[in-house]
Amino acid sequence: NAGVMQNPRHLVRRRGQEARLRCSPMKGHSHVYWYRQLPEEGLKFMVYLQKENIIDESGMPKERFSAEFPKEGPSILRIQQVVRGDSAAYFCASSPGGSGSGETQYFGPGTRLLVL
Amino acid sequence: RKEVEQDPGPFNVPEGATVAFNCTYSNSASQSFFWYRQDCRKEPKLLMSVYSSGNEDGRFTAQLNRASQYISLLIRDSKLSDSATYLCVVFARGSNYKLTFGKGTLLTVNP
Repeated sequence: NAGVMQNPRHLVRRRGQEARLRCSPMKGHSHVYWYRQLPEEGLKFMVYLQKENIIDESGMPKERFSAEFPKEGPSILRIQQVVRGDSAAYFCASSPGGSGSGETQYFGPGTRLLVL
Repeated sequence: RKEVEQDPGPFNVPEGATVAFNCTYSNSASQSFFWYRQDCRKEPKLLMSVYSSGNEDGRFTAQLNRASQYISLLIRDSKLSDSATYLCVVFARGSNYKLTFGKGTLLTVNP
């Protein structure tokens, strides 16, 4: 049973370009969470999605960031017009959903975004 | 005040030492508590949950004091492989399932 998959693992963009980060949850998981870890900082919640629904996006910057989790395919975190401050590790986690206990979130290996 | 605060570290200890990590949380509605481990440039992985009565898993002991809003992790007989960043993680009722992470404390166990 494959774990949470994220790609690309490393992404380099120039300022002003777009970044697309993909996350495939574990098989059977329908809940996806995105977290961001800035250099020397802890992970910060960004957004929580279920299939075709954004449940909680309270951690997402108001501009340039968007997320989706379509009926088919991976969840996508999209950053438009990237700036240097977007350089970070972006982790996706998934859970079967419903428990609300937190401990059933399984993390992917992360995408490290570097903005030049 | 930060939602979850940890010892800033880093901790450097010799093999076999006992090391303790401390963590405080600000949200009194917090209901679940965890210690995660994060190796350099890797994803966080659940080390253990923390229960009100305290719990032990081999060389690892976790304690929770709800009145003081304080969590601890004790590692006995530390091994080289324990070198990692230890993350205190809290889940609050009504938080829509999101985990709140502390900044982490780096531990290096030296031979």
